Amino acid sequence: SAVISQKPSRDICQRGTSLTIQCQVDSQVTMMFWYRQQPGQSLTLIATANQGSEATYESGFVIDKFPISRPNLTFSTLTVSNMSPEDSSIYLCSVEGDRGQKLFFGSGTQLSVL
Amino acid sequence: GENVEQHPSTLSVQEGDSAVIKCTYSDSASNYFPWYKQELGKRPQLIIDIRSNVGEKKDQRIAVTLNKTAKHFSLHITETQPEDSAVYFCAATGRRALTFGSGTRLQVQP
Repeated sequence: SAVISQKPSRDICQRGTSLTIQCQVDSQVTMMFWYRQQPGQSLTLIATANQGSEATYESGFVIDKFPISRPNLTFSTLTVSNMSPEDSSIYLCSVEGDRGQKLFFGSGTQLSVL
Repeated sequence: GENVEQHPSTLSVQEGDSAVIKCTYSDSASNYFPWYKQELGKRPQLIIDIRSNVGEKKDQRIAVTLNKTAKHFSLHITETQPEDSAVYFCAATGRRALTFGSGTRLQVQP
């Protein structure tokens, strides 16, 4: 499985500010995925990040709120913009394994918005 | 899109007993069904998976069964141990990214 480094691991932010989360993979991967896990809840896909093209967002998530960069095959960032307390969640990046479909997760970013 | 339902939401068993968690999915095109274990404060970890061309898969104390006709799959943990206590998520996918179930909090009582 890929080694996925995610940072920051946690942050406490003020309402109205933005936070950028970084995800670094130790091998080249075609697709990277960003998930949100609200407190006590399941994992919800925010968007799929492909290198060289715009990210594909799921219903309920928009680029203005969650802009994503994918400058190369080993790195991606997710920005949570204009944050409100409702954005307090764990944000997880993930990548597929060598044979596709198997999903491995980064360590997550615990975000608290005051 | 895919919809995955998971039951029960909480499950408490005595150490040594078996635990069963069930999931149903809606998209008949789904062909991959993983299970994740998430301990408190940690990332989800893949523990077992099954593809649609297989009906059952076992790995030591963990097994997964799949019924494609009924569109449901189950996780079976035998001889449960306190370290099995965690939240378990099922998921399904075919052509798109994984869709996760709502999770089952398993508590193994020593």
